[in-house]
Amino acid sequence: QSALTQPASVSGSPGQSITISCTGTSSDIGGYNYVSWYQQHPGKAPKLIIYDVTDRPSGVSDRFSGSKSGNTASLTISGLQAEDEADYYCSSYRSSSTRGVFGGGTKLTVL
Amino acid sequence: HLQLQESGPGLVKPSETLSLTCTVSGGSLTSVDYFWGWVRQPPGKGLEWLGSMFYSGSTYYNPSLKSRVTISIDASKNEFSLNLTSVTAADTAVYYCARHRGATVTPEFDHWGQGTLVPVSS
Repeated sequence: QSALTQPASVSGSPGQSITISCTGTSSDIGGYNYVSWYQQHPGKAPKLIIYDVTDRPSGVSDRFSGSKSGNTASLTISGLQAEDEADYYCSSYRSSSTRGVFGGGTKLTVL
Repeated sequence: HLQLQESGPGLVKPSETLSLTCTVSGGSLTSVDYFWGWVRQPPGKGLEWLGSMFYSGSTYYNPSLKSRVTISIDASKNEFSLNLTSVTAADTAVYYCARHRGATVTPEFDHWGQGTLVPVSS
């Protein structure tokens, strides 16, 4: 079972907005609204920042937003800050015995 | 405040069984509201869901590992465990225990342990 497809890296300057894509199939992203996004700083555990495609857990900045179109989900970070530099992973429910699958991760560099 | 903490051996030999325990504090494993699971991350690589369980004993495993992985619960200790048999160097990873956001096996984990690195080496 292949992982969801994410770009290996993205970059942006402070204050700018960036978008990270996550492409799957109709058996996962396209078929269900169970897409989530995680932020992971080096040496730390992942942190849930988006769930159910668009929802933010309590305490997560509203600079983070999620969306979905067809088989592709997206994470947008607005007003980029130095502390946003991290790895970002998407995940989705998948309609098979796999149940859940992650993307390969995207490294965000704040220039 | 919910906390999860992984514990286990610092090193496992090839062909042996990797056993880890996740101790939960600040919450109950027998809650009807949540699934609990294991996720791993090989050094420098991405995340992989291994499997999840409900307090009732229902378990779901990643098919790529299903024949080697077992997750169990010790409700009296508020702990759940991961056993991975016949390990190879490819199983070297940071292993995380985590709580699903709800009572479904969707890969939405809202609380994570700090992770424990388990090298597989002779």
